[in-house]
Amino acid sequence: SQQGEEDPQALSIQEGENATMNCSYKTSINNLQWYRQNSGRGLVHLILIRSNEREKHSGRLRVTLDTSKKSSSLLITASRAADTASYFCATVTYLTSGTYKYIFGTGTRLKVLA
Amino acid sequence: EAGVAQSPRYKIIEKRQSVAFWCNPISGHATLYWYQQILGQGPKLLIQFQNNGVVDDSQLPKDRFSAERLKGVDSTLKIQPAKLEDSAVYLCASSSRGYEKLFFGSGTQLSVL
Repeated sequence: SQQGEEDPQALSIQEGENATMNCSYKTSINNLQWYRQNSGRGLVHLILIRSNEREKHSGRLRVTLDTSKKSSSLLITASRAADTASYFCATVTYLTSGTYKYIFGTGTRLKVLA
Repeated sequence: EAGVAQSPRYKIIEKRQSVAFWCNPISGHATLYWYQQILGQGPKLLIQFQNNGVVDDSQLPKDRFSAERLKGVDSTLKIQPAKLEDSAVYLCASSSRGYEKLFFGSGTQLSVL
């Protein structure tokens, strides 16, 4: 099953503009992460935000988390053509086995036009 | 540090045939995950191992899919027999206690004709 629903499904912007994508989920989480996937490749971790945090920054990335609304957003500022990729949120829960369970959302396909 | 290795990169088979995928996680990573990603969708967890034990296989179609991680290192995912709807990218990921994130391989793209 997929935990996160992301919107928009697809987003096309001009280079230099900001891109915002949203993720909604259903159950309690320990943290939420965002991953990027270039066409034909595996996913790459971008940023993690814990359930007790509201906002996190990393370079041109800004992530927010609202646990009361069970939603998160990823903002990419000053986008570049190289940011063209699919972006997935992943909700993470801690298991009694001592490991984490990662459930991915449906993804947003971002296209940045030069 | 070497990444997660997967093979083959591509595989084309006919329905009802068998296929196997191999994954070698990052050295020292105790947790290994297999995900199925159908075109245009997010990765769906099939099975999760902690060392050589299964943590979660609730989404694995056990009538046709099997997976093993015998020595707690590399892992094999098998489909027998394959159906058309199994066409997807099969992603392997690993993690360890020191990291709260997944490291992914490049995946195996399976086409069932």
